[in-house]
Amino acid sequence: DTAVSQTPKYLVTQMGNDKSIKCEQNLGHDTMYWYKQDSKKFLKIMFSYNNKELIINETVPNRFSPKSPDKAHLNLHINSLELGDSAVYFCASSQDFMNTEAFFGQGTRLTVV
Amino acid sequence: QKEVEQDPGPLSVPEGAIVSLNCTYSNSAFQYFMWYRQYSRKGPELLMYTYSSGNKEDGRFTAQVDKSSKYISLFIRDSQPSDSATYLCAMKWGTSGSRLTFGEGTQLTVNP
Repeated sequence: DTAVSQTPKYLVTQMGNDKSIKCEQNLGHDTMYWYKQDSKKFLKIMFSYNNKELIINETVPNRFSPKSPDKAHLNLHINSLELGDSAVYFCASSQDFMNTEAFFGQGTRLTVV
Repeated sequence: QKEVEQDPGPLSVPEGAIVSLNCTYSNSAFQYFMWYRQYSRKGPELLMYTYSSGNKEDGRFTAQVDKSSKYISLFIRDSQPSDSATYLCAMKWGTSGSRLTFGEGTQLTVNP
């Protein structure tokens, strides 16, 4: 039973489109994250929610908008996709925002053409 | 300058070798240190976690932290082909609301 699951696993889309990535965790964790991993494997946090409340909002374009309908779900919507958005996006969760261990999903490989 | 520096490799070793992976950091506020392992096309998974200087051992893995030098290491003894993965170091200022800062990751291949 997957702890942190993301859909879709692969996403190929054209520039200018709007797309969403969904994430769900069944660990009962309070905190969820979105990370972006570029082609050089560099992993950087984008957003973090704790109990549906935004607690970390790194400097990302406002075309990226996270939404947390409940504490088990954190979705990422991206407007007007650009070539530079191509990357692997990882969802993660931790027990709470103080906890150091993050559990990652399998990633969504986004390719913008 | 990046807050966390890690040699991306690639690093290739024969089976049974001792592997040493390293990260340096510039922010002395980092207090918590982690090593994540990421297999190809998978998400990272926590391998080792420590918050004090010194060594921490778990099976074939030893994590070492030297806060005075701002340097952390991960040693893998008797390396196996199944250890082939990308290893990412990660750090955190404290427990309260701070984010994980990752190194670039070192790609390791253990050849049978």
